[in-house]
Amino acid sequence: TQLLEQSPQFLSIQEGENLTVYCNSSSVFSSLQWYRQEPGEGPVLLVTVVTGGEVKKLKRLTFQFGDARKDSSLHITAAQPGDTGLYLCAGRTYSGAGSYQLTFGKGTKLSVIP
Amino acid sequence: SQTIHQWPATLVQPVGSPLSLECTVEGTSNPNLYWYRQAAGRGLQLLFYSVGIGQISSEVPQNLSASRPQDRQFILSSKKLLLSDSGFYLCAWSVLSGQGYYGYTFGSGTRLTVV
Repeated sequence: TQLLEQSPQFLSIQEGENLTVYCNSSSVFSSLQWYRQEPGEGPVLLVTVVTGGEVKKLKRLTFQFGDARKDSSLHITAAQPGDTGLYLCAGRTYSGAGSYQLTFGKGTKLSVIP
Repeated sequence: SQTIHQWPATLVQPVGSPLSLECTVEGTSNPNLYWYRQAAGRGLQLLFYSVGIGQISSEVPQNLSASRPQDRQFILSSKKLLLSDSGFYLCAWSVLSGQGYYGYTFGSGTRLTVV
C-alpha cells in the first residue's frame, strides 16, 4: 500500500499571507492530483501533475511535482478566506489489468482568517 | 453535462439496522465508479470500485457490500450497521479532465451516524 504523508495537518493563517503544503511518499506515482474539499462536500479536483519537476499554476496556486515523482507541493500566494478548506493530494499508480489505483493523503486543513 | 447524484445527505441509524446508499451518474456511459469513506483524521479510504455492471472489487474487508445493478447506478449496503461504520461516505467516478488526465468527480457525500 502506497502511503502519502501530508504536512502540516492543520494550518491557520491571516488573509494575505503565503503558505506551502507538502505531500510526500516513498513510492513513485505516474501522476499526482490535488483536490480541495469544503465542509460537507465532496473533494473537487484542482490539478493533475504528471512529469517529474513539473510546475503548474492556477491563479494564486502553484503546484510542483518532485523530480522523482514521489512528492509534491502546493503554494498559495496572498491567501484569501475563500481558500479555506481541506487540501488533499492523491497519487495514481497502475494496479494491473488496465486499472489504476488512486491513493489519498489525509489532507491539510487550511483556515484563512480575514 | 456530466453529473453525479448521491443521497441521502445525512443519515442517523441505530446499531444493527440495515443501510442503503445510492449513487447515480448522468451524462456518460460505462464509468468507473467508487465508494470512499472519510473518517475524521483518517483521510479517504477506498471501499469498493466497479468497472462495469455487476463487477465489484472490494478493497477493505468489512461490514459493507456494494452492487451495481445498472451502468450508472452504484449502491452501498449493509445488513447490520456497526458503530464503526459512522463516517462520511463519498461516491465518485473517474472522468477525463480538461487537462487530458483522469480525475475523480465526487458526489456531495452522505454523513452517516450510527447510534
